[in-house]
Amino acid sequence: DSGVTQTPKHLITATGQRVTLRCSPRSGDLSVYWYQQSLDQGLQFLIQYYNGEERAKGNILERFSAQQFPDLHSELNLSSLELGDSALYFCASSPSGYRNTEAFFGQGTRLTVV
Amino acid sequence: AQKITQTQPGMFVQEKEAVTLDCTYDTSDQSYGLFWYKQPSSGEMIFLIYQGSYDEQNATEGRYSLNFQKARKSANLVISASQLGDSAMYFCAMREGSLRRGSQGNLIFGKGTKLSVKP
Repeated sequence: DSGVTQTPKHLITATGQRVTLRCSPRSGDLSVYWYQQSLDQGLQFLIQYYNGEERAKGNILERFSAQQFPDLHSELNLSSLELGDSALYFCASSPSGYRNTEAFFGQGTRLTVV
Repeated sequence: AQKITQTQPGMFVQEKEAVTLDCTYDTSDQSYGLFWYKQPSSGEMIFLIYQGSYDEQNATEGRYSLNFQKARKSANLVISASQLGDSAMYFCAMREGSLRRGSQGNLIFGKGTKLSVKP
């Protein structure tokens, strides 16, 4: 068990819909990262939050947004879903600063858009 | 631009033998970290081993060791005494600025190597 919790594990929804994926980082970790894994694109970094603030953006679509709450859990919101958004979405957390030698992943949320 | 290359899409190894999974990287940063992850068919990403760019010793974690050759920019994973449960996808990843406070620290992944262990 990595200590990173993601819910739900599986999600099936229709095109055009909106979903929210949730992540609870490991205790004490301030950084949360979201990644998307698809067959054609591989593992892609989407966005990072650090202690409630957006820190870095990767290949995140404008239809997607995220936030990190005061209790450090994070949510990834995916809207106007398309078939191509079907993927495995991972959340990862890391300690901050010089202890940035760890990155543990949650079990992922498998999103299927039909 | 930072990049990770894993040239072996698939590998086979006999049970109980050792296997090396290749990884090369490209970065202009002097401070970086290298990670290996295992992804079994169930989908989760399991952290295996970490090597920092300033670490003088190769990292080891149980049956996993990282053969770090900085000048060649390679970070190969060696799995000793392979087990059937080692069959999975293996990803090499890099994080730049690992030793800089406040570094953004997202991971860049290679495309992975699918390892199959034969009984």
